[in-house]
Amino acid sequence: EVQLVESGGGLVQPGGSLRLSCAASGITFNAYWMSWVRQAPGKGLEWVANLKQDGSEKHYVDSVKGRFTISRDNTKNSLYLQMNSLRAEDTAVYYCVREKKGFYWYFDLWGRGTLVTVSS
Amino acid sequence: EIVLTQSPGTLSLSPGERATLACRASQSVSSSYLAWFQQKPGQAPRLLIYGASNRATGIPDRFSGSASGTDFTLTISRLEPEDFAVYYCQHCGSSWTFGQGTKVVIK
Repeated sequence: EVQLVESGGGLVQPGGSLRLSCAASGITFNAYWMSWVRQAPGKGLEWVANLKQDGSEKHYVDSVKGRFTISRDNTKNSLYLQMNSLRAEDTAVYYCVREKKGFYWYFDLWGRGTLVTVSS
Repeated sequence: EIVLTQSPGTLSLSPGERATLACRASQSVSSSYLAWFQQKPGQAPRLLIYGASNRATGIPDRFSGSASGTDFTLTISRLEPEDFAVYYCQHCGSSWTFGQGTKVVIK
């Protein structure tokens, strides 16, 4: 079955750290750019970071630069998001997303998300 | 940085009516990199349209997309009960960004 499954969310105190994982199955993982997208409670979607197939190129939204690190292990078909110095405003559902890049470029496969709550 | 502005914020319509959702980019963007998503409460977003006007696999033909310069439109020709949801436009490429969303509610 083609799917992305996130894990690693939970409750963390402000200033703390958390590592999210995304396990891909049923896809040729190393053929795709991958992204993390988040959604704060009751709010819209916000792209967070993405990573090229071989890990040689990555991008971040300004609000997480220097605090979050995206990485991947193609041998394990897995994507990661290391989140440090967490703030209350990082509270959100975090989605793992596959990017389809060619003549068209779009997000075509989403996981179900994992909830991160930053609170004391 | 590209900013996508969606309008209206909320659209109140009845089943069977036509819905027209707008998305305006703050600068020139490639239509090939513009997509539309539908999201229902408690669910992940679902891809509806990619490349501004191409329906994704399994999307009914009542959904259509168009582009004119920096203006993009998602049209739902006749609203079905399951179409009441939040819709987002999104751009990939030089910057990855979402519009703030349009909520389509039952009148």
